Amino acid sequence: DGGITQSPKYLFRKEGQNVTLSCEQNLNHDAMYWYRQDPGQGLRLIYYSQIVNDFQKGDIAEGYSVSREKKESFPLTVTSAQKNPTAFYLCATRGTGVSYEQYFGPGTRLTVT
Amino acid sequence: AQSVTQPDIHITVSEGASLELRCNYSYGATPYLFWYVQSPGQGLQLLLKYFSGDTLVQGIKGFEAEFKRSQSSFNLRKPSVHWSDAAEYFCAVGAPFTGGGNKLTFGTGTQLKVEL
Repeated sequence: DGGITQSPKYLFRKEGQNVTLSCEQNLNHDAMYWYRQDPGQGLRLIYYSQIVNDFQKGDIAEGYSVSREKKESFPLTVTSAQKNPTAFYLCATRGTGVSYEQYFGPGTRLTVT
Repeated sequence: AQSVTQPDIHITVSEGASLELRCNYSYGATPYLFWYVQSPGQGLQLLLKYFSGDTLVQGIKGFEAEFKRSQSSFNLRKPSVHWSDAAEYFCAVGAPFTGGGNKLTFGTGTQLKVEL
């Protein structure tokens, strides 16, 4: 079954702890993205990666880190430096070529207390 | 820099009524435009896209959108809304990154409620 998997669906952490969100895809897509979604603010880009071992900061990268060691995987770490980490996090992929369209995973809701 | 405006935060329509969701974009070149739909707690699903050619594009679930360059708009329409269409709708414009690759810039979304 092809697609994008994000796990877990819900994640709870205490303030001051780092937490890693998983994103796996079997679409053979080169580019992968992480977005943060807050009510009334749409989607904001955190990081993106066009190929393995390369990634770039998006609009709100502070307090986050990523790695891209495999084409299929693009984990996002929310560090303790992120001031407001509670949000809905979405991973997306994009295929090769000129197309801009992105395909989204089901998301992870992170709650930090 | 590109931007997208969705002026309506909430819209309520009766089941069976027609629907139009507004989207205005700002981008200096020919835009790549998209509409996505999101059910509560879920990811985004692509409804339709415009790259070039015919300015009226058809999508899934009976939706269509019309690109109007003169008005910088890409409004989403459906002739008869079903209760299952209740969701949040996002308009997006695609543009290249300065350093390579490309990105989508999203509007803030329109929440659609359908009254039975």
